[in-house]
Amino acid sequence: AQSVTQLDSHVSVSEGTPVLLRCNYSSSYSPSLFWYVQHPNKGLQLLLKYTSAATLVKGINGFEAEFKKSETSFHLTKPSAHMSDAAEYFCVVSGNQGGKLIFGQGTELSVKP
Amino acid sequence: EAQVTQNPRYLITVTGKKLTVTCSQNMNHEYMSWYRQDPGLGLRQIYYSMNVEVTDKGDVPEGYKVSRKEKRNFPLILESPSPNQTSLYFCASSLEPWTEAFFGQGTRLTVV
Repeated sequence: AQSVTQLDSHVSVSEGTPVLLRCNYSSSYSPSLFWYVQHPNKGLQLLLKYTSAATLVKGINGFEAEFKKSETSFHLTKPSAHMSDAAEYFCVVSGNQGGKLIFGQGTELSVKP
Repeated sequence: EAQVTQNPRYLITVTGKKLTVTCSQNMNHEYMSWYRQDPGLGLRQIYYSMNVEVTDKGDVPEGYKVSRKEKRNFPLILESPSPNQTSLYFCASSLEPWTEAFFGQGTRLTVV
């Protein structure tokens, strides 16, 4: 069975400081992993995805994530937070049962001026 | 513009009154799915469809129905809504199940 755990339900950073959103996954085979962002009252938008190519994945808006198989982690980072980054972030693994997407519980990112 | 369109965006209804939430995509995607989003639970899949006339249950299918008569449309039907179906609903489509999913704007449903 596959699962995703986002280790923090809420993260607060100051503008200009680094962002780290943590995600651990469980999968019996090599998974596809995604990070999606949801701004208030909006749908979800893909930030980046890992599909067994390079382990360091670069996404939009300066975000990147590193796939670490030994740690079963796929943490999302950004060197310098911007106010517009305030949103909810979801780590997602693609399942093998009809391609079901399995979502983590979400991490709400707050950015202080 | 590539998009997934859901309607309505907001809906308040009473217990037991049948309703349909429509979903349409213009990307010729094979795969479509419905999710509900509840605080602290992330998104949970309700139903998905691999192609026309092919649908299957997700994690939380009870109380919902879907149909896929055309490739572009994937309506979500609540035959007899109950208050525990109050939630934020998202439709999504993708070329393949493991590729980028495009999400609609969401439908906030309240059942009183």
